[in-house]
Amino acid sequence: SFELSQPLSVSVALGQTATITCGASRIGNGFVHWYQQKPGQAPVLVIYRNVNRPSGIPERFSGSNSGNTATLTISGAQPGDEADYHCQLWDRTTAVFGPGTQVTVL
Amino acid sequence: QVQLHQWGAGLLKPSETLSLTCDVSGGSVSDDDWTWIRQPPGKGLEWIGEISRGASAFYNPSFRGRVSTSVDTSKNQFSLRMSFVTAADTAMYYCARVITSYGLIIKYFDTWGQGALVTVSS
Repeated sequence: SFELSQPLSVSVALGQTATITCGASRIGNGFVHWYQQKPGQAPVLVIYRNVNRPSGIPERFSGSNSGNTATLTISGAQPGDEADYHCQLWDRTTAVFGPGTQVTVL
Repeated sequence: QVQLHQWGAGLLKPSETLSLTCDVSGGSVSDDDWTWIRQPPGKGLEWIGEISRGASAFYNPSFRGRVSTSVDTSKNQFSLRMSFVTAADTAMYYCARVITSYGLIIKYFDTWGQGALVTVSS
């Protein structure tokens, strides 16, 4: 079964680009989804099926998935983007989540 | 737009049964698949199980035997029960809607409840 790895934390300067990775062997063969979770709140879907943004999610959020790494990119990070970000995929009959990455906007 | 509101007992003693319910508004519980996910304090998300619109259910193997889910179409809600809880079950519990595509090989969760904190302590 899949085990997903994520960096514990990522820091990004205001207005710069944050890159959050989600790693597993051949993860690029599958579909990864990303959730944003602010303190004390429920997760919110920000990217689904590797590259798609739900309605209402800003264009500065984008995703990619290839080889052994899926990536969530925040272009032009804003203070409101400070949150934990979780990757997720479906492995046969189970949902698997990464451990989460805390993003800090400096 | 579908919204989920959940509730249930917040403080349990070890060996008791956890019971949570999720109310569906803006849609029908019969139209979608539903899931439960939890998050222990300071930790990541853990998938518990799913109940489909046809009321068939399947669970994370790590919970097998302790967990059950059900749907009440008359009340437009779905529920989770977890027996024999221990301190390790202390967590924020979330209900969510499942979106399924490509012949069941892709599932993700597009609408979440607000969460319910369950604490297990003697």
